[in-house]
Amino acid sequence: DAKTTQPNSMESNEEEPVHLPCNHSTISGTDYIHWYRQLPSQGPEYVIHGLTSNVNNRMASLAIAEDRKSSTLILHRATLRDAAVYYCILSQRSNDYKLSFGAGTTVTVRA
Amino acid sequence: DAEITQSPRHKITETGRQVTLACHQTWNHNNMFWYRQDLGHGLRLIHYSYGVHDTNKGEVSDGYSVSRSNTEDLPLTLESAASSQTSVYFCANPDRVQETQYFGPGTRLLVL
Repeated sequence: DAKTTQPNSMESNEEEPVHLPCNHSTISGTDYIHWYRQLPSQGPEYVIHGLTSNVNNRMASLAIAEDRKSSTLILHRATLRDAAVYYCILSQRSNDYKLSFGAGTTVTVRA
Repeated sequence: DAEITQSPRHKITETGRQVTLACHQTWNHNNMFWYRQDLGHGLRLIHYSYGVHDTNKGEVSDGYSVSRSNTEDLPLTLESAASSQTSVYFCANPDRVQETQYFGPGTRLLVL
């Protein structure tokens, strides 16, 4: 399975944007890039996903490099409720989107 | 609203006992997955099912079993609990249309 690399932690101030990088240099053509987050004592929560084009939804934006070997999750205005562990995961439709979670990036938001 | 629930939310048991963790979904999805989460390992897939009477082994299936007698439920059984199975267990529902997975709230299991 293709792997992803994320920083262990990032800090941000409230109301400021947060850019979370993810490297996936061995990504295959059929791998989708998924982002999930996990708040303390809760199950993972879907954030966003994409294949080749940049994606936006109400929670975040996903910027995918042209060669697809890296991507960035963008939280436009961080709030205290965005403090969580963010996971960048590669998954395939043919694999029923089984997810292999790494350690993720722990995001801390300062008031 | 459709949802996925797990019970119990917390469980303490002793080594050697059989334990069953429940997962119930009202999404009416065929696919259901069980993961465990441990520090330093992220979430790892234990078992999964694509529909009634279908079960498959995941990455860390030893010591666990599942059965699927209806669409709504996928109970996870620890045949003989071991301390190494102390973990947080999550049930998940993949949604093929939305291309996402919905996770339950988790069950914290402590095996003494």
